Amino acid sequence: TQLLEQSPQFLSIQEGENLTVYCNSSSVFSSLQWYRQEPGEGPVLLVTVVTGGEVKKLKRLTFQFGDARKDSSLHITAAQPGDTGLYLCAGGRETSGSRLTFGEGTQLTVNP
Amino acid sequence: NAGVTQTPKFRILKIGQSMTLQCTQDMNHNYMYWYRQDPGMGLKLIYYSVGAGITDKGEVPNGYNVSRSTTEDFPLRLELAAPSQTSVYFCASRPHSYEQYFGPGTRLTVT
Repeated sequence: TQLLEQSPQFLSIQEGENLTVYCNSSSVFSSLQWYRQEPGEGPVLLVTVVTGGEVKKLKRLTFQFGDARKDSSLHITAAQPGDTGLYLCAGGRETSGSRLTFGEGTQLTVNP
Repeated sequence: NAGVTQTPKFRILKIGQSMTLQCTQDMNHNYMYWYRQDPGMGLKLIYYSVGAGITDKGEVPNGYNVSRSTTEDFPLRLELAAPSQTSVYFCASRPHSYEQYFGPGTRLTVT
């Protein structure tokens, strides 16, 4: 059973377009993180959200945590080729102790 | 700080061979993790540790073993390699906050 569902699985867009990727669950999470992974490297943390309804911005990236803390979205404005990568969401739950549950990722390709 | 380092970067094993994947972190983090990532997939937790001397199983522990004798090191042992263990293995560590810091990975092929 996949606790975190990411959509879409694959996304290919042109430079300058906007996009949103989603991370959904039927479970409540105490924290939600987004990572980006480039080919041949480990994931790198982009943001952590912990409060329902929280919105965080990182340059052209906007992250939102759902009010019920069951879902999250990542919106990229004016995508650039450098945004290409695998975007992973990961949730932490108090019942899981120190473990995170990862979604299967959204593979984003931004074409010049 | 070097962060999280993993060795080797690449390895090819024959079925039935054994090997140890090394992971070291220099950030004095208590929590450490081993994940595997299959092509096009997310991360599956193999084992984790909340401190020296303490380890616990994750989602997919079968065929692996770990030890944590020091805060810095968290090696992953494969005893009898099988083709199903072909994957990319990532080690991660974290402080008391939520964020995990990942190593560059070890790409393992079992043939």
